Amino acid sequence: GENVEQHPSTLSVQEGDSAVIKCTYSDSASNYFPWYKQELGKGPQLIIDIRSNVGEKKDQRIAVTLNKTAKHFSLHITETQPEDSAVYFCAASIEAAGNKLTFGGGTRVLVKP
Amino acid sequence: DTGVSQNPRHKITKRGQNVTFRCDPISEHNRLYWYRQTLGQGPEFLTYFQNEAQLEKSRLLSDRFSAERPKGSFSTLEIQRTEQGDSAMYLCASSPGTSSTFGSGTRLTVV
Repeated sequence: GENVEQHPSTLSVQEGDSAVIKCTYSDSASNYFPWYKQELGKGPQLIIDIRSNVGEKKDQRIAVTLNKTAKHFSLHITETQPEDSAVYFCAASIEAAGNKLTFGGGTRVLVKP
Repeated sequence: DTGVSQNPRHKITKRGQNVTFRCDPISEHNRLYWYRQTLGQGPEFLTYFQNEAQLEKSRLLSDRFSAERPKGSFSTLEIQRTEQGDSAMYLCASSPGTSSTFGSGTRLTVV
């Protein structure tokens, strides 16, 4: 089955700096890659996703890149703000196979004011 | 639309007791998923439904676990004869077929 590795496990950045989280996946059939933000006591919230026919997607301060050949994808957050502090999860799935998600282990991001 | 609703938010039970959780998905979302999340880990897939049909179950879902989605609306997840290892956050998500929206989860503590 699919295996998703995520790095780093913790990330501390100064407010205004950029944060980058990287994930690798094992199943070349995976074609959908969402990123979720989880705050304490809440469920994961989708922040951006990308499909395998696209190499990059951007939404305001958040961007995601995908390298299908290398089987890795990354989340970039620019101009970080204290409210970006949370745990971020990458995930991978095969859309035609029910779209059940395999998650990475998570990255705890702390944005210091 | 109020999103995915899960009840209860917290459940403390004694080992050996049965527990049942409920998930109300976003209306008209035909897919419903259950995941389990332990502290410091990412969610792990348990099972999913397309309308009322349960299409896949993870091997994580032992015989003590059962899920239903009658009439393709809300879903219940029951754990029989709970064990301490069942302590976790149980997350429900629904989807119209593309991206999944998660509920806030039910935190189960088995004492």
